[in-house]
Amino acid sequence: KAGVTQTPRYLIKTRGQQVTLSCSPISGHRSVSWYQQTPGQGLQFLFEYFSETQRNKGNFPGRFSGRQFSNSRSEMNVSTLELGDSALYLCASSSGLASYEQYFGPGTRLTVT
Amino acid sequence: AQSVSQHNHHVILSEAASLELGCNYSYGGTVNLFWYVQYPGQHLQLLLKYFSGDPLVKGIKGFEAEFIKSKFSFNLRKPSVQWSDTAEYFCAVKMVDQGGKLIFGQGTELSVKP
Repeated sequence: KAGVTQTPRYLIKTRGQQVTLSCSPISGHRSVSWYQQTPGQGLQFLFEYFSETQRNKGNFPGRFSGRQFSNSRSEMNVSTLELGDSALYLCASSSGLASYEQYFGPGTRLTVT
Repeated sequence: AQSVSQHNHHVILSEAASLELGCNYSYGGTVNLFWYVQYPGQHLQLLLKYFSGDPLVKGIKGFEAEFIKSKFSFNLRKPSVQWSDTAEYFCAVKMVDQGGKLIFGQGTELSVKP
């Protein structure tokens, strides 16, 4: 079974621009979660989708948004990029919500200049 | 706010030494517990998990962890480390009544000297 895939793997953007990141979960998984990983803040939860509905949201500004499609693929969008948004963005998929493990993708490395 | 604490930021061991990495969380409800590992240049991989039942769980590569509910702890252990265990280890907690959200500890970097 193929793992979680994320595209693109690397991205360089300029302050003020917007960016869209994509995640394809493991086949059959209906839950997708997004995390931001930085050296200073570690791994922080962004949001979680299950069956196209956002089920949970972390403490990030409204510039961070996401969605999930009927095939469980998910995208996250960051508008008006700031230097502090430079991070590794990780997507994780799971069969369900509670009492299921999450499997992580390789991440998208976003650099904002 | 709920939090997860990993006691050691960087641990240096020689091969064949025993390992114990501490993890404590602050949440009084039902939890799922996980340890993930991130090898250099690779993505996060699930090492082991606890949902319910036997508090001593075994994972891949000879790792095990013990859930002590009274201490809100989920410490990771391995009796004899190898150079290939050099990686960053993350403890993560899921609060069952809050869906699938994982709260991660800050991570422990393990360096094993050959």
